[in-house]
This record gives sequence, C-alpha cells and structure tokens, in this order.
Amino acid sequence: DAGITQSPRHKVTETGTPVTLRCHQTENHRYMYWYRQDPGHGLRLIHYSYGVKDTDKGEVSDGYSVSRSKTEDFLLTLESATSSQTSVYFCAIKTTKLNNEQFFGPGTRLTVL
Amino acid sequence: QQQVKQSPQSLIVQKGGISIINCAYENTAFDYFPWYQQFPGKGPALLIAIRPDVSEKKEGRFTISFNKSAKQFSLHIMDSQPGDSATYFCAASHTDKLIFGTGTRLQVFP
Repeated sequence: DAGITQSPRHKVTETGTPVTLRCHQTENHRYMYWYRQDPGHGLRLIHYSYGVKDTDKGEVSDGYSVSRSKTEDFLLTLESATSSQTSVYFCAIKTTKLNNEQFFGPGTRLTVL
Repeated sequence: QQQVKQSPQSLIVQKGGISIINCAYENTAFDYFPWYQQFPGKGPALLIAIRPDVSEKKEGRFTISFNKSAKQFSLHIMDSQPGDSATYFCAASHTDKLIFGTGTRLQVFP
C-alpha cells in the first residue's frame, strides 16, 4: 500500500459544510495526488503536489483546495460541500523510480446530503 | 486531446478464457501507459505498465500490447480466473499526471 493512509475512511456531511480529507504517507515521496472516482468517469485528478507548499490544479479542481505544509501530509478541503461532490476520494503518491509509478491509498467515501 | 478512451465498459468471460480490454489515446506526447486493477472497496493497484518503445510486455498471465501508430493499447488476461473479477483502468501519462480511462468491469465465471 506504499505506506499511504487516508482519513476519515467514510464521512457523511450536509450541503454547505466544510470538509477536510487527510492523506498521510510514511515514505517521504515528493509527489502526492488527490483523485475522485465516480461511475462512468474513472478517476479524475483534482489537485496534486510536487513538494511542500507546491501544488497545482488538476482536471476537476473547482470547489476544492489543498494544502501541504509537511512532506507526509496532503489535505483536501471542500470549502462548502455540495451534493455533486459525493464521491470516493483517493490519494496517491508517485515514486521517483524509473517508471514514475503512482500508488493509491484505500480511499475515502464522502456523502454530501 | 487529453482523453483516454476505454472499451468495453463491462466484460463477461468464462474461466480459462482470454479477457481483452482496449484503450485509445490522442496525445502523442504520452510516454507511459499503466494498467490498474481495482477490487470493490479498495484503491486501484498497479498491475502492469509499458512505454511506447516496446510493442508488448508480459507479466505472468497479463500482457500489454501497444500499437504506437494506431495510438492504441490493450490488456490481455490469459487463462482468466474468477479471482481476476475486478474493474480495470488503463491510463496514460506525460510529465507528472495520469489520465485514466473510464474503466472496464470484468466478471469471470467458473
């Protein structure tokens, strides 16, 4: 599992509330990613980080923000959750070995009522 | 131009048969093509990957075939087993980001 944990694993919240998801890694990888997975869409990149305090937007970044103040933690925040953000969220890290493989965490299932 | 198109959406195969999943891409800058396997309730797991300088890569029962001129690549699962039942995603990468296909749900029946 490449030493990746996500918390919480499940969350139910109400529309309009802020939500923060945490990704934690233990192997000092520079690159970390947040994806969302929805039926019929596969996995879509929300934001990624290439170092402490260095982040960039992905394909579906609207409504999401991220922060990375330490190498091991990458936080995803929904400032004001909407029902369209109901999804399964996956964190991933990228190794810096030859093929730059990405490895995924176990996921967080978020339901916005 | 950033899309990766995957087919079929679902696939039913008998035990011992060959499962074939296809993907196509447009961006010729893509230089890394991994396949991921995902079981229900789990994160995607890297299965096998290929770079465009080779036409085929085999790891056990899993083979990637790559056609650079057609901008297509496929996953072949030989001697498919019930334990292979999962969702499979192809992906393509250039620089630091992966673009995923929409997934194929494979069911292997005994």
